Amino acid sequence: SQKIEQNSEALNIQEGKTATLTCNYTNYSPAYLQWYRQDPGRGPVFLLLIRENEKEKRKERLKVTFDTTLKQSLFHITASQPADSATYLCALGLGNAGNMLTFGGGTRLMVKP
Amino acid sequence: GAGVSQSPRYKVTKRGQDVALRCDPISGHVSLYWYRQALGQGPEFLTYFNYEAQQDKSGLPNDRFSAERPEGSISTLTIQRTEQRDSAMYRCASSLGSNQPQHFGDGTRLSIL
Repeated sequence: SQKIEQNSEALNIQEGKTATLTCNYTNYSPAYLQWYRQDPGRGPVFLLLIRENEKEKRKERLKVTFDTTLKQSLFHITASQPADSATYLCALGLGNAGNMLTFGGGTRLMVKP
Repeated sequence: GAGVSQSPRYKVTKRGQDVALRCDPISGHVSLYWYRQALGQGPEFLTYFNYEAQQDKSGLPNDRFSAERPEGSISTLTIQRTEQRDSAMYRCASSLGSNQPQHFGDGTRLSIL
């Protein structure tokens, strides 16, 4: 069966440390993968997009890797801050034109001061 | 407007009634998407449009659900003969085009009594 797995347990880390979130998938061949941040009561906010032919993408304190052999993406936040506390969602771009996003269940990150 | 706007923010209705949810995408965005999100889960794809053409409606749960985007801008998701299981957060997103980051609205919380 097709699955997208993100750790459903909250990730608690200390301010200043690097947070690493994992997204694993099975039986999909995505054209790209996106990471979103979602705060309570709000819609998801786009963070990064990485395509199937890219290994790594960076944006400020954020880094995402994409391993199509392992079928895994890792999302890193360096020098984490309490303001980074949120739920982070990975989404696979699927469908004929890759337009259909299929989301994982998200991982809640708590950064403690 | 600056972002994706959805209305109403909250809708409470009795079982059996029809409801219409509205989405006003970011100006100039070609693609528009509808999702449904259960508490603690990621958004689940329902349907999407490029301009006024509905490209994929494979995620619509049954024929009580329909969507339109007649002029390639504002879209309406209609649920006929609502049932309690239709209660959820309904989210709309738009993007510049295929395989581009999606920008989400804050959703419509639908409650069926």
